[in-house]
Amino acid sequence: DAKTTQPNSMESNEEEPVHLPCNHSTISGTDYIHWYRQLPSQGPEYVIHGLTSNVNNRMASLAIAEDRKSSTLILHRATLRDAAVYYCILRVNNNDMRFGAGTRLTVKP
Amino acid sequence: GAVVSQHPSWVICKSGTSVKIECRSLDFQATTMFWYRQFPKQSLMLMATSNEGSKATYEQGVEKDKFLINHASLTLSTLTVTSAHPEDSSFYICSALDRGASSTDTQYFGPGTRLTVL
Repeated sequence: DAKTTQPNSMESNEEEPVHLPCNHSTISGTDYIHWYRQLPSQGPEYVIHGLTSNVNNRMASLAIAEDRKSSTLILHRATLRDAAVYYCILRVNNNDMRFGAGTRLTVKP
Repeated sequence: GAVVSQHPSWVICKSGTSVKIECRSLDFQATTMFWYRQFPKQSLMLMATSNEGSKATYEQGVEKDKFLINHASLTLSTLTVTSAHPEDSSFYICSALDRGASSTDTQYFGPGTRLTVL
């Protein structure tokens, strides 16, 4: 399975931007990069996904390196409600998703 | 985004009994659903892939006779934990694949079911 590497934890201050990195050096040409987040005792929530180009939506932005071996999820203004575990996942051939350990984001007021 | 529901949200049962968990896609048809299990402070672990009208595909190490999966319609998949034991206590999460108009299918997750076996 294509593997991703994320920092175990990150901290941010409220109202400041957050950049969550993800390395995926073994990514294949057709693998999509997906980001989900999970709040305590809830199911994962879809955040964003992309293939090659940078992507923006109402929740976040996804910056994908030109060689696609890394990507960064950008939360433009962190709020306390953004505190969660963020998972970077490679979607292989539109099949199942396998979760790594993710990054636990703490947002300080 | 699309909505996936699970029922019940939590259940407590005695050891040796069976528990059924339902997963429904509320506003889209899902030919494929997935079942995950999550232990405290750990990540989600894929248990099985459920395709409508066919047998589920189980991940290595997951007992298919213990975790019975039925995907009888395009909006409903069920997971039955048979003869539950305390070690089966976990957070069970389903997801459904929305094969919509976009170039990639998006997977939407249910809110999870907390199972406690006494």
